[in-house]
This record gives sequence, C-alpha cells and structure tokens, in this order.
Amino acid sequence: SSELTQDPAVSVALGQTVRITCQGDSLRSYYASWYQQKPGQAPALVMYGKDNRPSGIPDRFSGSTSGNTASLTITGAQTEDEADYYCHSRDSSGNHLEVFGGGTKLTVL
Amino acid sequence: QVQLQESGPGLVKPSETLSLTCSVSGGSINSYSWNWIRQPPGKGLEWIGYISFTGSTNYNPSLKSRVTISIGTSKKQFSLHLTSVTAADTAVYYCARGRVSDFTKYYFDYWGQGTLVTVSS
Repeated sequence: SSELTQDPAVSVALGQTVRITCQGDSLRSYYASWYQQKPGQAPALVMYGKDNRPSGIPDRFSGSTSGNTASLTITGAQTEDEADYYCHSRDSSGNHLEVFGGGTKLTVL
Repeated sequence: QVQLQESGPGLVKPSETLSLTCSVSGGSINSYSWNWIRQPPGKGLEWIGYISFTGSTNYNPSLKSRVTISIGTSKKQFSLHLTSVTAADTAVYYCARGRVSDFTKYYFDYWGQGTLVTVSS
C-alpha cells in the first residue's frame, strides 16, 4: 500500500501528553519518520527509526511503532510544539517510492 | 552544517516547464539521495522524486511522465524539471537530503527553505 493515514487535527492541554498516530501497511516493513512544520517554515525532522531524535530535538518527543501504526508522543506539550506534523515512510511496493501522511495539526490549549 | 537552497522562477505559464535548482553547501552530494518535495498552498507534502549519488532516479508515479531530476556537473547542485505544468502544480517546492539506515529507516534530514512556484498566465 502507498498510503499513510493521520488524524487531521489533535489538541492537547499545555503540559499534558499527546500521541499523534500514522497508519499504513508500509509501516510493517519500514519505520516512520516524523516532521514538524510551523507556519511559513520548511518541515523539520523530529523523529526517525525506532525512536531516534535528531540533535536539538527535546526529549519530550518520542516515537514508537506497533504493527501498522507509528506514533509520535509529546510528553509535556509546550506552546512551541503547536504545528503540523507529517509522517513519512518508504512505500512497501518494492518500487523505492516515498510516501507522506496527510498531516496532523496539533493545537496546544 | 549542510545547507540546501532552492532557486528558480516564481512564476511559470501553463503548459511550460518548471525548472528549479537546489544548491548544496557544507557537505558532499555523495552517499545520499537528493529529493524534491512539494506542498500546494494549504495542503500536505507530496514527494516528487529523488536522484541518488550514483545518478539513479525514482519518481512519484503520479508525476513520472513529466518529471526529470538531474545532478549538476559541479556535483553541488541538483535540478528539477516538470513539464506541461498546470495550476495544480502551484506549490512550495522543497529540496531535501534523504538518508537510509539499516534499509528500514528512510528519512529527510536536511531541507531547503522552499520556493513558491505559481503557475499562471
């Protein structure tokens, strides 16, 4: 399958924990990567692999995968975490294609 | 610090060819894939295609008939050519470096700032 499905919008109270999910058959073969995009900015990598954070990404961000679902969890959400989040993985068709989820808009209340 | 910078016309007429260049600084173009990704206004990300450091290419099937990605002779730039554009190709176009680890982890670790291309007469 070449599709990754995300909830369009999620909200979280300041300081609480939120999980953003991404579903797709390709996630049974490949890890998801996650990108944070703030208005007017390019996407930025926040998570990849099993639970790998690039340098500079706060440790309140964590990742996990179970079956065909990948999750990005923010523990103790901050106002600066309000953004659009996109998941990505390689397509499992064997054709070396890349696919993005539709994105989740995270609102921190 | 690796930096990517897109350049090219911000306005293209319908039926013409969109051409963009991504300049890479602070690192080698070897050992990675070099990708183009676009985002129509108010919408999500769409992967267009990549060229690897070996020169092999792969494209989104929905765009494959119109897309060509190439690496410049200086090996510090790669380019996107999209033919027969329509208003539906209006988007912010990003270049990004792709990495792979263990053949299970694929990700884009560096991105350009993006450039808006509008298709209009």
